[in-house]
Amino acid sequence: SQQGEEDPQALSIQEGENATMNCSYKTSINNLQWYRQNSGRGLVHLILIRSNEREKHSGRLRVTLDTSKKSSSLLITASRAADTASYFCARNYEKLTFGTGTRLTIIP
Amino acid sequence: DTGVSQDPRHKITKRGQNVTFRCDPISEHNRLYWYRQTLGQGPEFLTYFQNEAQLEKSRLLSDRFSAERPKGSFSTLEIQRTEQGDSAMYLCASSPRTRTDTQYFGPGTRLTVL
Repeated sequence: SQQGEEDPQALSIQEGENATMNCSYKTSINNLQWYRQNSGRGLVHLILIRSNEREKHSGRLRVTLDTSKKSSSLLITASRAADTASYFCARNYEKLTFGTGTRLTIIP
Repeated sequence: DTGVSQDPRHKITKRGQNVTFRCDPISEHNRLYWYRQTLGQGPEFLTYFQNEAQLEKSRLLSDRFSAERPKGSFSTLEIQRTEQGDSAMYLCASSPRTRTDTQYFGPGTRLTVL
């Protein structure tokens, strides 16, 4: 069963705007990871944040983690058409447990 | 680095038939994982290997499913007596000994059971 929930389920924004996706989880984590999946393809690892970290950056990506609220957010700044994809958070505790994903559409 | 490869990429079969998928991990990655993903959902863990040892199996992995990694390199996932509910994308991932918390995914095998 999936233990994470992404919010929103779908998001459409104009190119150049920022996109924020949220993830909640229910149990303990060693770390939390975000993945991107283009339609019908495999997953690409984006960023990993450890349970003792609160914020992490990678290029146009910014991830935050609040372990007290069991939640994380992914911010994509200055979005591009190529960012159109589904984004999943995954709780890592020996194995990955994925959420249900956010489908992001960037409108050119 | 050639990445994780999976074969075939697509498989259409009739209900009741057996199918086998293959995954070749990144060279020298000692951990190999199998996931299943249905439409509109995130991947769900099925099983994983460390070298040739199968360390964990999800309850999703019914007795019709079997996975092997005989030499600790490539792995196969077999589904016997396929059912329509088995239609899904089957994803394989691998991780290196020194960084087990990062998994590298293959492109997946899309199974359609008619």
